[in-house]
Amino acid sequence: QKEVEQDPGPLSVPEGAIVSLNCTYSNSAFQYFMWYRQYSRKGPELLMYTYSSGNKEDGRFTAQVDKSSKYISLFIRDSQPSDSATYLCAMRGGGSQGNLIFGKGTKLSVKP
Amino acid sequence: DVKVTQSSRYLVKRTGEKVFLECVQDMDHENMFWYRQDPGLGLRLIYFSYDVKMKEKGDIPEGYSVSREKKERFSLILESASTNQTSMYLCASSLINNQPQHFGDGTRLSIL
Repeated sequence: QKEVEQDPGPLSVPEGAIVSLNCTYSNSAFQYFMWYRQYSRKGPELLMYTYSSGNKEDGRFTAQVDKSSKYISLFIRDSQPSDSATYLCAMRGGGSQGNLIFGKGTKLSVKP
Repeated sequence: DVKVTQSSRYLVKRTGEKVFLECVQDMDHENMFWYRQDPGLGLRLIYFSYDVKMKEKGDIPEGYSVSREKKERFSLILESASTNQTSMYLCASSLINNQPQHFGDGTRLSIL
């Protein structure tokens, strides 16, 4: 079983739709969770950073962590064509426990 | 904002050449990382460094070495380039272990 699983997509939605992106993981020691957005031919850009379980909201973006189910989500409200990118989840344990483990990314396309 | 700068966006080299990829960060971050990103394989950690003159092997260090003589600069060296090292190379930095990593825009390296 891979440590982090992420559906590669591609996911295509109309402008204005609510988008749900998800990752599952197997390591119960993970405590720090991140979402990155990567535009074509650019480096990943940090979108959201959360610690442990719960929700975090930033504008149109909401990150959700459910540690009991080992499941994290990123919701994008009122999606825009500029949201078209690959979204990577990443996570790690606390303290000195290992490096970031990345999902392979979900490619999202928002159609005008 | 954190700025991670990679010296080249695109680079073409020949097999057997010694290749240097340079990365500089301007936020006094302790940690620096080198990844490669390939379609279907995601981000894979090559080497990382938690302090000046320190280096640790990541998941795929074979064929690579690194140098960190100054805190802000982390160099990746391909000792004798081979065609299977054609890839997108991404540098990242983080303040300390539990803080998120910030990425440069990558170097797309082609080995002919």
